[in-house]
Amino acid sequence: DAGVTQSPTHLIKTRGQQVTLRCSPISGHKSVSWYQQVLGQGPQFIFQYYEKEERGRGNFPDRFSARQFPNYSSELNVNALLLGDSALYLCATGRGTSVADTQYFGPGTRLTVL
Amino acid sequence: AQSVTQLDSQVPVFEEAPVELRCNYSSSVSVYLFWYVQYPNQGLQLLLKYLSGSTLVKGINGFEAEFNKSQTSFHLRKPSVHISDTAEYFCAVSDTDKLIFGTGTRLQVFP
Repeated sequence: DAGVTQSPTHLIKTRGQQVTLRCSPISGHKSVSWYQQVLGQGPQFIFQYYEKEERGRGNFPDRFSARQFPNYSSELNVNALLLGDSALYLCATGRGTSVADTQYFGPGTRLTVL
Repeated sequence: AQSVTQLDSQVPVFEEAPVELRCNYSSSVSVYLFWYVQYPNQGLQLLLKYLSGSTLVKGINGFEAEFNKSQTSFHLRKPSVHISDTAEYFCAVSDTDKLIFGTGTRLQVFP
């Protein structure tokens, strides 16, 4: 089976712009979580979606939004980009919503905001 | 809210030597604990996890970790490291519906 895929791999934007990141889960996985990993830090939880519904949200501003599609893929949108949004954005997928379930991470999208 | 402390930001070690990467978490309530590894320019890969039962957990690539409830620790160990173990290692703890990660420990293995 293919692993979790994310696109694009790299992205450069300027302040104030909007960005959309995409994630395709492993076949059979219905849960998608998004994490932000700033350089030198551990990943921080942004959202979890399951069966197209938001199941959890981290401490991020409303500029961050996400959605999940019927095929369980997901998009993360960030509006009005700030320099501080520069980070590696990771998608993790799993079979269910329990945090005990193993989450499988994609390679990430490296976002640079200039 | 839960928090995770990885006291060592970098751990240098020679090949074939043993290594321990330290992790402490904030709460003594029931939690799930995880260790992930991140190789350069890649996502995170699960090494092992503790959900319940035996406090000694064995993972992939020869790693193991011991859950110590009284010390609120979950240290990662490997008896003999290889050059290929050079990577960033993250400890994580469950907090309701999400994982809380530590800041990571950079393991550098020298020949």
